Amino acid sequence: DAKTTQPTSMDCAEGRAANLPCNHSTISGNEYVYWYRQIHSQGPQYIIHGLKNNETNEMASLIITEDRKSSTLILPHATLRDTAVYYCIVRIPNYGGSQGNLIFGKGTKLSVKP
Amino acid sequence: ETGVTQSPTHLIKTRGQQVTLRCSSQSGHNTVSWYQQALGQGPQFIFQYYREEENGRGNFPPRFSGLQFPNYSSELNVNALELDDSALYLCASSIGPRTDTQYFGPGTRLTVL
Repeated sequence: DAKTTQPTSMDCAEGRAANLPCNHSTISGNEYVYWYRQIHSQGPQYIIHGLKNNETNEMASLIITEDRKSSTLILPHATLRDTAVYYCIVRIPNYGGSQGNLIFGKGTKLSVKP
Repeated sequence: ETGVTQSPTHLIKTRGQQVTLRCSSQSGHNTVSWYQQALGQGPQFIFQYYREEENGRGNFPPRFSGLQFPNYSSELNVNALELDDSALYLCASSIGPRTDTQYFGPGTRLTVL
């Protein structure tokens, strides 16, 4: 079972920041937080991951609370093309096989509206 | 575009039949993982292949089997199809089994009637 809890759906106005929350209260010390998204009719796409420090890349920012029990994915200027299901996953990196596979929940369906 | 391709795009089979789905991994990637995604659900891990050997398996019965070829492309075979096997089947390639990032293909939509 997925170790994360996310809202089922969220709306965001185009051009505004989209803040997607994720709860992972049982995260262990060596587990990272990963975010993937899945645009309709496509395969999931990697966005970002982190352990405890905030991370930023060209797609998004990841803010992890100090106790690591929750995190927020931030899309700074959402566009219509960001409409997708966003998955928050906790995982121990550098593990292969069944231990290293991605365990997806149902994710958050983000709708960006004009 | 991830460079991971899958064929066919769509497939319709009847219960009891067998099906083979194909995946070409991104150049330089030697690991392929397969996932099943039922409608409205997140993807579920089926198994992973690394250097032509199965390297981990999820909670799927033995009628789900796979192969990986020397060029690292892969096949997913499902025997004795059941109605519940209707799903989107995704493959993901990575540089190795212990990597941070998996790159997914667009998937094959299988419908079992």
